[in-house]
Amino acid sequence: AIQLTQSPSSLSASVGDRVTVTCRSSQGISSALAWYQQKPGKPPKLLIHDASSLESGVPSRFSGSGSGTDFTLTITSLQPEDFATYYCQQFTSYPPTFGGGTKVEIK
Amino acid sequence: EVQLVESGGDLVQPGASLRLSCAASGFTFRTYWLSWVRQAPGKGLEWVANINQDGSEKYYVDSVRGRFTISRDNAENSLYLQMNSLRAEDTAVYYCARQQGYWSGGAWSNWFGPWGQGTLVTVSS
Repeated sequence: AIQLTQSPSSLSASVGDRVTVTCRSSQGISSALAWYQQKPGKPPKLLIHDASSLESGVPSRFSGSGSGTDFTLTITSLQPEDFATYYCQQFTSYPPTFGGGTKVEIK
Repeated sequence: EVQLVESGGDLVQPGASLRLSCAASGFTFRTYWLSWVRQAPGKGLEWVANINQDGSEKYYVDSVRGRFTISRDNAENSLYLQMNSLRAEDTAVYYCARQQGYWSGGAWSNWFGPWGQGTLVTVSS
C-alpha cells in the first residue's frame, strides 16, 4: 500500500498566519492527491483534488501544489474557522490511503 | 443539495453482526462509485470498501475482506455495509462518501466528496 506521511503532525498558528502542511508519498502518484479538512465531530470536507484543483466553494486562501511524491497544502491567511485537522489522501491504486493528519491549533 | 445520511451504528459484542445503511439524495446515485471510510476514536481516516455503479465491482481493505460486504440498491438510492464477525478494532465512526475521479495518462485519480455525517459502531463486551 502507498503510505502518505504528513508533517508536522500538529502546529500552532495565529489568525493571519501563512500555514504550510506537507504530505510525502512512498511512491510516485503523479498529481493524484486530495486534501480534506475535518473539524471535531464533523465529517471530512474535500478542499483540493488533483493536488491543486480547488473544490467549488472552498475559499481561495487554500491552495495545493506538488506532484510525484511531495505535496503541499498552503493556507495564505489563517482564519478562525480554519482551525481543524487536515488530511491528505491518495487513490491512484488500491487501497486508497490517508496521511496521519495535521492538527492546526490556535497559538 | 447532495446528502448522504448513514444509519445502523450500535454497540455490539465481539463476533456480532451489524448492517449499516447510507441514504443518498440530490444526485444521480446510479452513476457514482461509493465508498465507506471509517475513523476510530481519536484516530485518522481509513478507507474500508467501495463499489462501482452497478455493484459488479467491489474492493475491500485487507483487514475487513471476508468479514464485510458492501452493496447498493440503485432503485432505493442506498448504500449498505454488512459487517460480520466484528472485532474491537472495528470500533469507529463509519462514513459513506461519494467517490469522484477520472482516468488520465494511464493512471487513476480519485477522491471522496461529499461525506455523510457518520454512524458510530462500538464493538465491546
